[in-house]
Amino acid sequence: NAGVTQTPKFQVLKTGQSMTLQCAQDMNHEYMSWYRQDPGMGLRLIHYSVGAGITDQGEVPNGYNVSRSTTEDFPLRLLSAAPSQTSVYFCASSYRGNGYGYTFGSGTRLTVV
Amino acid sequence: AQTVTQSQPEMSVQEAETVTLSCTYDTSENNYYLFWYKQPPSRQMILVIRQEAYKQQNATENRFSVNFQKAAKSFSLKISDSQLGDTAMYFCAFMNRGGSNYKLTFGKGTLLTVNP
Repeated sequence: NAGVTQTPKFQVLKTGQSMTLQCAQDMNHEYMSWYRQDPGMGLRLIHYSVGAGITDQGEVPNGYNVSRSTTEDFPLRLLSAAPSQTSVYFCASSYRGNGYGYTFGSGTRLTVV
Repeated sequence: AQTVTQSQPEMSVQEAETVTLSCTYDTSENNYYLFWYKQPPSRQMILVIRQEAYKQQNATENRFSVNFQKAAKSFSLKISDSQLGDTAMYFCAFMNRGGSNYKLTFGKGTLLTVNP
């Protein structure tokens, strides 16, 4: 059972480039979220989804897009990378209703130069 | 909106001793979950313990236990018999229960160092 798989683990982008961070889970979880982690800031919610075809914005959505075409996948797109998007990104998933919290991927360290 | 506050940016403890990490939260909801996550240097987020707000009994998981004070909106984590492997960043998190809102809100974290 792979859990939540994020790719890539590390990425360096130039300012203005676009890219997609991939996230896949094999636990049939309905809820999926993207967080960014910055020093001294904890984890902040970027976007989340409560099921296929349904997404919503979190606390810091600007500069990011998401879509949820299947239950398993929840990619995060950076449209035009900026140095302020240098961060560690986590994808997480949860089964609605069991209150067991979220299972996290291993994270992607993104540097924008 | 819910907020989670961890007032101790850093703490240290000697191996085998007990340490308590503080967490307070603000919410108008009555039905919710609280969590403590551990993030070791490997960066992986690991669920340590969870508490359901409607349960008065404090949750325990081996050496980890919580002191949940619902009226005071306080949710502290006690680590007994601290081990070197407990060195990590610890995050307190809140999740509302009900409707379609199952978002996690995190505090800023407490860096715990266990000294030999």
